[in-house]
Amino acid sequence: LAKTTQPISMDSYEGQEVNITCSHNNIATNDYITWYQQFPSQGPRFIIQGYKTKVTNEVASLFIPADRKSSTLSLPRVSLSDTAVYYCLVGDLRGKSTFGDGTTLTVKP
Amino acid sequence: NAGVTQTPKFQVLKTGQSMTLQCAQDMNHNSMYWYRQDPGMGLRLIYYSASEGTTDKGEVPNGYNVSRLNKREFSLRLESAAPSQTSVYFCATFQTGTSYEQYFGPGTRLTVT
Repeated sequence: LAKTTQPISMDSYEGQEVNITCSHNNIATNDYITWYQQFPSQGPRFIIQGYKTKVTNEVASLFIPADRKSSTLSLPRVSLSDTAVYYCLVGDLRGKSTFGDGTTLTVKP
Repeated sequence: NAGVTQTPKFQVLKTGQSMTLQCAQDMNHNSMYWYRQDPGMGLRLIYYSASEGTTDKGEVPNGYNVSRLNKREFSLRLESAAPSQTSVYFCATFQTGTSYEQYFGPGTRLTVT
């Protein structure tokens, strides 16, 4: 499975848009990309998934370029409650996937 | 629906003791996983099971055994616990052919002294 690389931490302010980029240079043709959010003492929670181009749901957007070697999670207008660790995953069709070390997002008032 | 449940929530073991972590799901998903998460780190896959009766090693299988008892249950056994196995253990499920979302349990916090 492709190894993922993300920034260790990011800071933002309430109301701003936050973009977190993940690198996955060795992604295979059939692999998919998912992003998760984790709060302290909880299990990860699914945010969004994608294979290529752009996907948007009610909480986030996911941008994947044509070569699929990276992906960017976009969180519009973050609030204090978005402070969490965000993980990018690359997985195969069996569901086997690799978590990186995640990006700790701190949203300030 | 309970989703994914894990027992126990907390456990303290002495070095060399054994124990089994239990995971059960009521979502009728085919695949189940065991991860461990050390402080400040991401999750690492220990074992996974793509279907009842099958199991495969993940990134960090040494020191663990698993059993997929039936479609609902997936247990993780530590035969001889070591301090290096102090971690939070998460069970997750996945259904192939639908969304790529994994559903996680609340975790078991294990301390080995």
